[in-house]
Amino acid sequence: AQKVTQAQTEISVVEKEDVTLDCVYETRDTTYYLFWYKQPPSGELVFLIRRNSFDEQNEISGRYSWNFQKSTSSFNFTITASQVVDSAVYFCALMEYGNKLVFGAGTILRVKS
Amino acid sequence: DTGVSQDPRHKITKRGQNVTFRCDPISEHNRLYWYRQTLGQGPEFLTYFQNEAQLEKSRLLSDRFSAERPKGSFSTLEIQHTEQGDSAMYLCASSPLMTSGIETQYFGPGTRLLVL
Repeated sequence: AQKVTQAQTEISVVEKEDVTLDCVYETRDTTYYLFWYKQPPSGELVFLIRRNSFDEQNEISGRYSWNFQKSTSSFNFTITASQVVDSAVYFCALMEYGNKLVFGAGTILRVKS
Repeated sequence: DTGVSQDPRHKITKRGQNVTFRCDPISEHNRLYWYRQTLGQGPEFLTYFQNEAQLEKSRLLSDRFSAERPKGSFSTLEIQHTEQGDSAMYLCASSPLMTSGIETQYFGPGTRLLVL
């Protein structure tokens, strides 16, 4: 069965600190996709990134970077030089073929000025 | 290009009443999904449509829940005889239909339901 674990329930940092959000997944399939979404207080889930199981290259987008390691079934998300606007709930999600997203419980990130 | 819209954004109802939510997907997105999110949890899949066909339903979708997408455009989610346990955020998402690979789902702002 598919499962996504985000062990960090809540993280608080001071602005400009770097922060890493952990995501560990379980799947029996060899083909799958991993996602990160951001949910600000307004409630709308905002898509951040998608990776497929065959592409283990790390990715950087501005202050955001993602580290995908199949050997440890992890897809961690790092925010460099955090800002107050980064405060939100961040969800990691897994999709096997079939289009249904399985989400983790989310990590609340609080960035204080 | 407008995003996914949902109506209403908030709904308060009394136990036993029926409620209906609407979702308008991104235009030309063939697939439409419904998820439910309770406090402190990630969204959970309820059902999805490809055009007007409902292709999968979660066991979370009890007989009191029904979803439709009659013309392959907007969708409605109805809950009959609401219970306090139905209180949650109901999220809609849409994605294009790709011939290969997996499509990214784009979410609407959600409808927050409170059953008193």
